[in-house]
Amino acid sequence: DAGVIQSPRHEVTEMGQEVTLRCKPISGHDYLFWYRQTMMRGLELLIYFNNNVPIDDSGMPEDRFSAKMPNASFSTLKIQPSEPRDSAVYFCASSPTGGEGYGYTFGSGTRLTVV
Amino acid sequence: AQSVTQPDIHITVSEGASLELRCNYSYGATPYLFWYVQSPGQGLQLLLKYFSGDTLVQGIKGFEAEFKRSQSSFNLRKPSVHWSDAAEYLCAVGRGSGGYQKVTFGIGTKLQVIP
Repeated sequence: DAGVIQSPRHEVTEMGQEVTLRCKPISGHDYLFWYRQTMMRGLELLIYFNNNVPIDDSGMPEDRFSAKMPNASFSTLKIQPSEPRDSAVYFCASSPTGGEGYGYTFGSGTRLTVV
Repeated sequence: AQSVTQPDIHITVSEGASLELRCNYSYGATPYLFWYVQSPGQGLQLLLKYFSGDTLVQGIKGFEAEFKRSQSSFNLRKPSVHWSDAAEYLCAVGRGSGGYQKVTFGIGTKLQVIP
């Protein structure tokens, strides 16, 4: 299995632009998570899906952030408009359950820089 | 709400020396505990996990961790560190039983290994 695949690995964009991050979970995993990692706040859960349905988006910082999962093999995290404070590493992770007994499998992350 | 404290932001050890990384958690019931390792520019890899049973758990890469309920701790240990162990180590606690486990991560401990 290729693992959780994220694209792009790096993204540099100007403030105000739209940014779309992509994730392909491991086949058969029915949970998908989006995390953001910063030096100050560590790893924070933004949103998670179960069977393609968003379950908890309470971690999404504001309305500029949105996430979709149109099918079991693809999810996007969109920021529109982007701001410099959105600069962080964004991770996608998947799990065959809610994490119990398995833990999460993480992608390599997308390093976002907003200038 | 659950929380995780990793009191050491940065630790330096000599190659071949023993290692112990501290993790304290706050949670009202029996927690689900995890240790992840993050190499530079990479995603997180699960080292080991504890759910129940034997309080000393073995993981990959020669790591082990011991759950101590009385101290609310789940410290990670390795008897002899290798240069390749240099990385960021994150402790995490999950809550709930069955279904989705809401996992909270610590801020991480950066391990430096010197010759």
